Amino acid sequence: EVQLVESGGGLVQPGGSLRLSCAASGFTVSNNYMTWVRQAPGKGLEWVSIIYSGGRTYYADSVKGRFTISRDNSKNTVYLQMNSLRAEDTAVYYCARAYCGGDCYSKQPPYYFHYWGQGTLVTVSS
Amino acid sequence: QTVVTQEPSFSVSPGGTVTLTCGLSSGSVSTSYYPNWYQQTPGQAPRTLIYNTNTRSSGVPDRFSGSILGNKAALTITGAQADDDCDYYCVLYMGSGISLFGGGTKLTVL
Repeated sequence: EVQLVESGGGLVQPGGSLRLSCAASGFTVSNNYMTWVRQAPGKGLEWVSIIYSGGRTYYADSVKGRFTISRDNSKNTVYLQMNSLRAEDTAVYYCARAYCGGDCYSKQPPYYFHYWGQGTLVTVSS
Repeated sequence: QTVVTQEPSFSVSPGGTVTLTCGLSSGSVSTSYYPNWYQQTPGQAPRTLIYNTNTRSSGVPDRFSGSILGNKAALTITGAQADDDCDYYCVLYMGSGISLFGGGTKLTVL
């Protein structure tokens, strides 16, 4: 059974850092596209980042230069390192396993989110 | 800056049909954007409904269908049921690894 369990959320001051973890079971993260999606309280969903199976990483403009996605194959876990946090980063952060949703042979294939974790809340406040 | 647009809210009668749309602030949506659709109930993680324009995710009833209508992606729900009353999000693939969510549509079934 596929499971994604996020952890690492909490309260952090503006300018601070936090590292989120997404422990996967039932599949191998290194063979999959893994993503982070967030949702501010009472707001819509926002794509944050992806790490493709080949290792390429991409970020939303709102987090580029501040957030870093990575994976530890030995732990079958994906991470999101968040630095220079701002109040507008306050959100529930979901880890999602993505599948290729189109031309799977392109350099950066299109994808869709298929399995979701239950999310972890990050609150940035003084 | 490109924005993905959705109707903020929509209502449908039980048993009725509704079409939600997903557009771009500039330009037209085509299959080249590989539109996806997600359903979310309050406090829950999203559920995948449609990917690559019109492919239903496993377990999704055929009451849900995706298409391109004019210059927008569309999600059509036929035979609306009470538990369809929730939020719907579209996502467009912008290339270079980047996806953009629409602002979501709150569907009311009454």
